[in-house]
Amino acid sequence: QVQLVQSGPEMKKPGASVKVSCKASGYTFITYGLTWVRQAPGQGLEWMGWISPYNGKTRYSQRVQGRVTMTTDTSTNTAYMELRSLRSDDTAVYFCARRSADYPLDIDYWGQGTLVTVSS
Amino acid sequence: QSVLTQPPSASGTPGQRVTISCSGSSSNIGNNYVYWFQQFPGSAPKLLIYRDNQRPSGVPDRFSGSKSGTSASLAISGLRSEDEADYYCGAWDDSLSGYVAFGGGTKLTVL
Repeated sequence: QVQLVQSGPEMKKPGASVKVSCKASGYTFITYGLTWVRQAPGQGLEWMGWISPYNGKTRYSQRVQGRVTMTTDTSTNTAYMELRSLRSDDTAVYFCARRSADYPLDIDYWGQGTLVTVSS
Repeated sequence: QSVLTQPPSASGTPGQRVTISCSGSSSNIGNNYVYWFQQFPGSAPKLLIYRDNQRPSGVPDRFSGSKSGTSASLAISGLRSEDEADYYCGAWDDSLSGYVAFGGGTKLTVL
């Protein structure tokens, strides 16, 4: 069965970087894109971008462009989302999700989420 | 302030039909598919409706989506206590360089 298992919670200081992993299993990794979405405490969903494990192509939201890098390791079927120059408003649960078809929100499986807390 | 506008709350009694609205513009809902997600506290969202009105397998037909112009709606008929959750609409937005826009979410309470 398809599973996306994310890395554990992180506590970071402002200005630091965080790298969240998302390990996929149960399907052919390079066949499906991966989307990253975050959710600040008590807030709504925010799209961060996506990556194609097939060719490494990425698309980032303007809000995090320049601070975010999404990558994949096809040898371990793992996707990564690195966010740099962390600020307190980056405190959120970060989700990876499998993109099942052509449209950006054609999402069928989600990771369990990774809480990233940014605090001095 | 979310690009897509949803009411912050909605409520209904068991068995009732409730609708949740999602208002946007020509750059998002008016020109792109709408999606609806259901989220329980502490859990990842779940896709409920895709491409305006399609249900993924496993989603009960009590849930339906519709769209007209720059607005969309999620309808839940035969409301059940287990439907109490947060609901989010989302759509691609063609403005800026293009991005996914979400509504602010609607908390549905089953009275």
